[in-house]
Amino acid sequence: GQQLNQSPQSMFIQEGEDVSMNCTSSSIFNTWLWYKQDPGEGPVLLIALYKAGELTSNGRLTAQFGITRKDSFLNISASIPSDVGIYFCAGLTTSGTYKYIFGTGTRLKVLA
Amino acid sequence: DSGVTQTPKHLITATGQRVTLRCSPRSGDLSVYWYQQSLDQGLQFLIQYYNGEERAKGNILERFSAQQFPDLHSELNLSSLELGDSALYFCASSARVSGYTFGSGTRLTVV
Repeated sequence: GQQLNQSPQSMFIQEGEDVSMNCTSSSIFNTWLWYKQDPGEGPVLLIALYKAGELTSNGRLTAQFGITRKDSFLNISASIPSDVGIYFCAGLTTSGTYKYIFGTGTRLKVLA
Repeated sequence: DSGVTQTPKHLITATGQRVTLRCSPRSGDLSVYWYQQSLDQGLQFLIQYYNGEERAKGNILERFSAQQFPDLHSELNLSSLELGDSALYFCASSARVSGYTFGSGTRLTVV
């Protein structure tokens, strides 16, 4: 089945540092989403990408839809303590029912 | 408030018991998805319903079942509970083009 590989699996960074994470697949996706999950809460949508090559920002967050449509990237600039959480990518499957495939998540911890 | 309501927020029960988790989707969303998240793990897709009909099944155990009612709310039934079923259970709803909106989850603890 379709799988999404997210990397890194976890990262510890200092406050103020920039963060980069990515999501790769063996399959093509038509839409990429990035979610953030705060501890004990449900994931919240951060950014949606609908076209190959698209670059979209949401405050300090920037995400890109890879040209091959098999990958996506999320960057966080000038990290702050509240950026801590799990970041999930999700790709919209192109076959069968309308369903997103979720990545395994990147766990981010920010050291003040 | 995401608009997706899950109840109860916390549930503690003994092994062998049966519980029902409830989800009310965002107004207008026809699709409901259930996910299981074990401690600090990823989101495991369980099952999807669209307008009352089952649309897709993931790694859902035979001891688990779900349904979506005419008013579009959904229930996830977990039976013969085991310690390993302890997890966060999330419901999400969607309108086709907007991605999923998640509820705040039900934390199930099996003791």
